[in-house]
Amino acid sequence: DGGITQSPKYLFRKEGQNVTLSCEQNLNHDAMYWYRQDPGQGLRLIYYSQIVNDFQKGDIAEGYSVSREKKESFPLTVTSAQKNPTAFYLCASSGRGLAGSNEQFFGPGTRLTVL
Amino acid sequence: AQSVAQPEDQVNVAEGNPLTVKCTYSVSGNPYLFWYVQYPNRGLQFLLKYITGDNLVKGSYGFEAEFNKSQTSFHLKKPSALVSDSALYFCAVRDVSISGGYNKLIFGAGTRLAVHP
Repeated sequence: DGGITQSPKYLFRKEGQNVTLSCEQNLNHDAMYWYRQDPGQGLRLIYYSQIVNDFQKGDIAEGYSVSREKKESFPLTVTSAQKNPTAFYLCASSGRGLAGSNEQFFGPGTRLTVL
Repeated sequence: AQSVAQPEDQVNVAEGNPLTVKCTYSVSGNPYLFWYVQYPNRGLQFLLKYITGDNLVKGSYGFEAEFNKSQTSFHLKKPSALVSDSALYFCAVRDVSISGGYNKLIFGAGTRLAVHP
């Protein structure tokens, strides 16, 4: 899982609560990403950030928010507006490569369950 | 629209036999293609990538993949499967609509590989 840590590994949330998932990397990568994984659907991009204090919505950003105040950190908040938040969440990072040729490195994931 | 297809939900193979996990893509221009593996409740691990050059790419753990531009395919292969290769495999292509040196990937739905003793 490289130099990316995610915490907690398991998270339980009551309906109507906001929760924040942590992602930290020590790879000195500029870009960071958040994905959601559901069975049979592969990975879907929630948000990504190419530089500190800047981030862009991915394909399924509704009900989620992020911040990028430090290069090493890219926390994801799952808000109460997310209708079906139960999923496995993966954080990734990548360095700047020639025309985007660098692979992404993934963290171990956080499994969020809404009770 | 850009996309990646993994036509098989599951592939079953006997230990010691060759394995192939299929991937086809749809993207304008020259594709950057990636294969990742995921073990249960873990993050994805990078296996190999095709950027340019030789169509046969060699990667980690004895895996290789063959890029075929005419068939828009990037199938993952291994000459002799191990039980420990059993996992979920993802193919991905770079989203060419994103400029700059960073990588936004489009993932396939994944193929579960089961290697039987």
